[in-house]
Amino acid sequence: DIQMTQSPSSVSASVGDRVTITCRASQGIRSWLAWYQQKPGKAPKLLIYVASSLQSGVPSRFSGSGSGTDFTLTISSLQPEDFATYYCQQAHSFPLTFGGGTKLEIK
Amino acid sequence: EVQLLESGGGLVQPGGSLRLSCAASGFTFSDYAMGWVRQAPGKGLEWVSAIDNSGTNTYYTDSVKGHFTVSRDNSKNTLYLQMNDLRADDTALYFCVKEVNSGTYFSRFDCWGQGALVTVSS
Repeated sequence: DIQMTQSPSSVSASVGDRVTITCRASQGIRSWLAWYQQKPGKAPKLLIYVASSLQSGVPSRFSGSGSGTDFTLTISSLQPEDFATYYCQQAHSFPLTFGGGTKLEIK
Repeated sequence: EVQLLESGGGLVQPGGSLRLSCAASGFTFSDYAMGWVRQAPGKGLEWVSAIDNSGTNTYYTDSVKGHFTVSRDNSKNTLYLQMNDLRADDTALYFCVKEVNSGTYFSRFDCWGQGALVTVSS
């Protein structure tokens, strides 16, 4: 199984900050990576797919990059509504697997 | 508007069974692969199962193989998850998810239901 490791597990930041979250796969997954945002009590929401493509309706301050084993999600200028937990997910092979999550908190 | 509505969750004793349903609307159900993702209380996301658009091919995470079965009825626009021999560590909120493709390959889940809570406890 492919293990997905996210770092950091939590991060504190302020409105307007630039934040980067990292996701590492235990083996190469080419660009088969998606990022999701989950707010408390809500279902996750797709942000990024195939590593760097922005899902329709997602603000352009979100961006993704990487291929192979190392990936990043960057939020260029944090907005109040961005404080949430973020998950990466590999879609390279079954079983599909998620990272452990990164909780983005207000400083 | 694409909607996924789960039902069938509840409290069940260890060893018991439940069947979750997911009613889909707002898209051509038979064109898309579907799946289930769960989240234990206070924990992260765990992919559970997937099924291609025709129902021919099914996939499971190792921990549920042999005691969960995913199926679909395209005439009813409904996805199912039959859960047998339930264990305490199956306690979770179960999300129904829509894949953007038919199931020839999987790339991402673009729509999620609100979840059905399954609690396994004596």
